[in-house]
Amino acid sequence: DSGVTQTPKHLITATGQRVTLRCSPRSGDLSVYWYQQSLDQGLQFLIQYYNGEERAKGNILERFSAQQFPDLHSELNLSSLELGDSALYFCASSEDREGEAFFGQGTRLTVV
Amino acid sequence: GEDVEQSLFLSVREGDSSVINCTYTDSSSTYLYWYKQEPGAGLQLLTYIFSNMDMKQDQRLTVLLNKKDKHLSLRIADTQTGDSAIYFCAEGQNTDKLIFGTGTRLQVFP
Repeated sequence: DSGVTQTPKHLITATGQRVTLRCSPRSGDLSVYWYQQSLDQGLQFLIQYYNGEERAKGNILERFSAQQFPDLHSELNLSSLELGDSALYFCASSEDREGEAFFGQGTRLTVV
Repeated sequence: GEDVEQSLFLSVREGDSSVINCTYTDSSSTYLYWYKQEPGAGLQLLTYIFSNMDMKQDQRLTVLLNKKDKHLSLRIADTQTGDSAIYFCAEGQNTDKLIFGTGTRLQVFP
């Protein structure tokens, strides 16, 4: 168990809908990262937050947004969902920017 | 841009050593990581190495880094069936934005 908790584990929704994925980082970790794992794109970095502020941005679509709350949990919002958004979404956390980043179990999103 | 490449498959007999290879392009990488993903599970951090190191050993795992050739390898000694999984190599200047390889599926047969 990495200590990073993601909910829900599975999500099935229809095209055009909006969903929110939630992540609780390891106790004491200030950085939260979101990654997308799909069959055709592999593991892609989406976005990072550090202590509530956006720190780095990767290949994140404009339909997607994220935030980190004062209690350090983070949410990834996916809107106007398309079939191609079906993927495993991982959250990771780290104490700072150095060394180890620990991943959660992921949320498997299926868009039908 | 940055790129990380791995071979897709590796098949080994139980008890043998496994060597999973990875090449990367970003010469400014500071950290190089190995993650393990079992079916239906998340990514488990196995080990990481600083770019100023040549080797790191942790129980059955040995990581070798050839910085000149930008080549990283993970050796698993006495490979067991429980080691069957996908192994990802990743690199980054820090943890902000890790670049992952495509993953190597390790299959261990008896």
